[in-house]
Amino acid sequence: KNQVEQSPQSLIILEGKNCTLQCNYTVSPFSNLRWYKQDTGRGPVSLTIMTFSENTKSNGRYTATLDADTKQSSLHITASQLSDSASYICVGSSGTYKYIFGTGTRLKVLA
Amino acid sequence: DTAVSQTPKYLVTQMGNDKSIKCEQNLGHDTMYWYKQDSKKFLKIMFSYNNKELIINETVPNRFSPKSPDKAHLNLHINSLELGDSAVYFCASSQAGLANTEAFFGQGTRLTVV
Repeated sequence: KNQVEQSPQSLIILEGKNCTLQCNYTVSPFSNLRWYKQDTGRGPVSLTIMTFSENTKSNGRYTATLDADTKQSSLHITASQLSDSASYICVGSSGTYKYIFGTGTRLKVLA
Repeated sequence: DTAVSQTPKYLVTQMGNDKSIKCEQNLGHDTMYWYKQDSKKFLKIMFSYNNKELIINETVPNRFSPKSPDKAHLNLHINSLELGDSAVYFCASSQAGLANTEAFFGQGTRLTVV
């Protein structure tokens, strides 16, 4: 069964701190893994995409890692800002047209 | 110049009514999708269309009928609305499949059935 699990479910950190979000996935056939950011009341926006052969990908203060052997991914946020407060969703692509979404991690950054 | 636009943004209606949500993308993409996000914020695929043809129908009740008049539009019509249909519905588009391209999402339509 295709599924994507994320932890923690929610996280509160102080502005300027770093944090790491975790994702475990079981997706077959596996095409790639993405991290999306969803602000409250908005649609998800893609942060990173990694294929099977990629171990790490950065997008500004966001760095994603992928371990295809253990089927785990992480999203590291450096020097967090108030605008980082959002839900972060790990998404596995299965085949050509299907996304398998995780339940997301709700991040709250406090001043 | 919004890439993927949905209307309306909010929709409140009574049980048993029929309603439609419209979606348009100006990205020139071939593939469009409808996703449902439930109260637990979990997004799930409902339908996928490629060049106006249905590709994916994820065991959605037949009260939900997508219609794609052209590849830039994918509308969602819902008959006999039920309380459990309350959710946020997201339209998205991508250039061809998702293996190598990303999906761009609309802002969502919050449907409340009372």
